[in-house]
Amino acid sequence: DSGVTQTPKHLITATGQRVTLRCSPRSGDLSVYWYQQSLDQGLQFLIQYYNGEERAKGNILERFSAQQFPDLHSELNLSSLELGDSALYFCASSVVSSATQYFGPGTRLTVL
Amino acid sequence: DQQVKQNSPSLSVQEGRISILNCDYTNSMFDYFLWYKKYPAEGPTFLISISSIKDKNEDGRFTVFLNKSAKHLSLHIVPSQPGDSAVYFCAASVSGGSEKLVFGKGTKLTVNP
Repeated sequence: DSGVTQTPKHLITATGQRVTLRCSPRSGDLSVYWYQQSLDQGLQFLIQYYNGEERAKGNILERFSAQQFPDLHSELNLSSLELGDSALYFCASSVVSSATQYFGPGTRLTVL
Repeated sequence: DQQVKQNSPSLSVQEGRISILNCDYTNSMFDYFLWYKKYPAEGPTFLISISSIKDKNEDGRFTVFLNKSAKHLSLHIVPSQPGDSAVYFCAASVSGGSEKLVFGKGTKLTVNP
């Protein structure tokens, strides 16, 4: 158990809908990262927050957004969902902006 | 452009023998490298890391070797155990900023009893 929690574990929704994925980092970790794992692309960095502020953006679509709250949990919002958004979404955390990141169990999103 | 490559999608070894997983990278700015292990339906689990100022790091049965001139790193598992069967991801980052991880596509290791 990495200490990073993610909810929900599974999410099934329809095209055009909006969903919110939630992540609670390890106790004491200030940095939260979001990654997407699809079958053909492997693990891809989406976005990073550090102590409530956006720190870096990767290949994140404009339909996707995220935030980190004062209690340091983070949410990833995905809107106008398309079939191609079906993937595993992982959250990771680290103490500071550190490369050693600890991953949550992931949320499997299925868009029908 | 894939900056971190794991060219072997799968590897099969016998229990007790050595497993060697390989990883190549193209971005010379990478200065920190990690290996993660992933079981089905779980998140990646951190295994071992190495900074670019070193060429070897050891932790129990796991050793990572870094060859900067060749832009190559490898993970050695000795002795291999059936519980090591998983997908192994190599990842790299650049210090001094986001430290976002760039992952390879993984190598599925099967350790046969």
